Amino acid sequence: SQTIHQWPATLVQPVGSPLSLECTVEGTSNPNLYWYRQAAGRGLQLLFYSVGIGQISSEVPQNLSASRPQDRQFILSSKKLLLSDSGFYLCAWSGKRNFFGPGTRLTVL
Amino acid sequence: GENVEQHPSTLSVQEGDSAVIKCTYSDSASNYFPWYKQELGKGPQLIIDIRSNVGEKKDQRIAVTLNKTAKHFSLHITETQPEDSAVYFCAASPNSGYSTLTFGKGTMLLVSP
Repeated sequence: SQTIHQWPATLVQPVGSPLSLECTVEGTSNPNLYWYRQAAGRGLQLLFYSVGIGQISSEVPQNLSASRPQDRQFILSSKKLLLSDSGFYLCAWSGKRNFFGPGTRLTVL
Repeated sequence: GENVEQHPSTLSVQEGDSAVIKCTYSDSASNYFPWYKQELGKGPQLIIDIRSNVGEKKDQRIAVTLNKTAKHFSLHITETQPEDSAVYFCAASPNSGYSTLTFGKGTMLLVSP
């Protein structure tokens, strides 16, 4: 069966610091991968998606970037965090259905 | 692009009652409609989905109905239990799950014992 991992689970970072969130998927090959952000009490905002290694599509202009260095690895990064980057970050993969990871709670102070 | 509207934003029911959450979509090309349940601090969990070749699908206490003509679909939960309390999201996709999903804004369901 397929499993999706995200780490870290929680992160507190100062404004202006860099960010790296990692997502890995097990049990499937060549999945479509997605990064979503969820602000407190709000819906799911699609940030990036990838259909293959090195292929990244950005949905919304952000202070963030994404990379896919390996087939089952998806990384979300920032060079300098803003207060507005705080939120719950979710990685997802899709085949015939879409499945979400456990999420990373990011607080920028 | 696709637009998904979800109602109500909050729904409070007594344990044992039924709960219904409704969504409408705008793109007639959408053919896949999943529902997710999100508990506090966790990632959304797929609970049921329906494709446009059927009008209804049921899994124990959960059912989903689809009206392609009216472009709306609904989640029905019968015999609600306190553990059903969560935020529920509907979504739509034009490619049977293989393309990006467009989500509704979510419904917070509160089931009181």
